[in-house]
Amino acid sequence: EVQLVQSGAEVKEPGESLKISCKASGYSFTTYWIGWVRQMPGKGLEWMGIIYPDDSDSRYSPSFQGQVTILADKSISTAYLQWSSLKASDTAMYYCARFGLEKAFDIWGQGTMVTVSS
Amino acid sequence: SYDLTQPPSVSVSPGQTARITCSADTLPKQYACWYQQKPGQAPVLVIYKDTERPSGIPERFSGSSSGTIVTLTISGVQAEDEADYYCQSADSSGTYKVFGGGTKLTVL
Repeated sequence: EVQLVQSGAEVKEPGESLKISCKASGYSFTTYWIGWVRQMPGKGLEWMGIIYPDDSDSRYSPSFQGQVTILADKSISTAYLQWSSLKASDTAMYYCARFGLEKAFDIWGQGTMVTVSS
Repeated sequence: SYDLTQPPSVSVSPGQTARITCSADTLPKQYACWYQQKPGQAPVLVIYKDTERPSGIPERFSGSSSGTIVTLTISGVQAEDEADYYCQSADSSGTYKVFGGGTKLTVL
C-alpha cells in the first residue's frame, strides 16, 4: 500500500526549533516530489514547498522561503519540515503529500498538528 | 498572477448538481486539480489534469476547463459530499504550486 505516515503532534514554545517527519512506503521514494502544505486553524490549504528526494532539489513558496527548511533522507524514505525558531503564528496542521505523475498531490499524510504557545 | 479564485461557499439540495469554479490567468497553460477535505481529515484528490478522475472516486465527480476557469461538477449531490473543496494549480513555469482559497459545499 502506498502511504505517507507523519510524526505525531507537537507542542512547543516560541523560539524553539522543530523537525517533523513524513515516512513514505509502498513506492519508489526517490522518483516522486514530496510537498508540504500548511493549514492554519479554520483556514485553507497553503503550499509551502516541495523536494525531489533523489537529489534534494527543493523549491519554496515565496511566503515560506527562509521561514522553513525542507529536507529528505532517501536512505530511510523520509522527508522533513524544519523550523529553527518557531513563532505562535506557526500553529497549524502540516501535511506532506506526494506529487504524482498526474501532476497532483495524489497521496497525503495524515497531518501533524504543531502548536506553538508560551 | 497565479492566485486561484474560488467562491467561498456553494449550497445545493440533495440530488441536485453542484458547480464550483476556480479562476486564474495561468489556467490555460497549467493543469488544475481538485481536492475534497472533510472535517478532521486530510485532503483527497478527486480530479486531476482538469478532467481526469482517480480510481475510486465516484463518477458523479467531473471536471471541465474553459479558458481561465476550471469547474468541478458534482452531479446528484449526496449528503456525504458536504466538504471543503480546493482547486490547485501552478505558476506559468509549473514550479510553484498554489491552492485556491477553498469552497465550502453545503448540502441542504
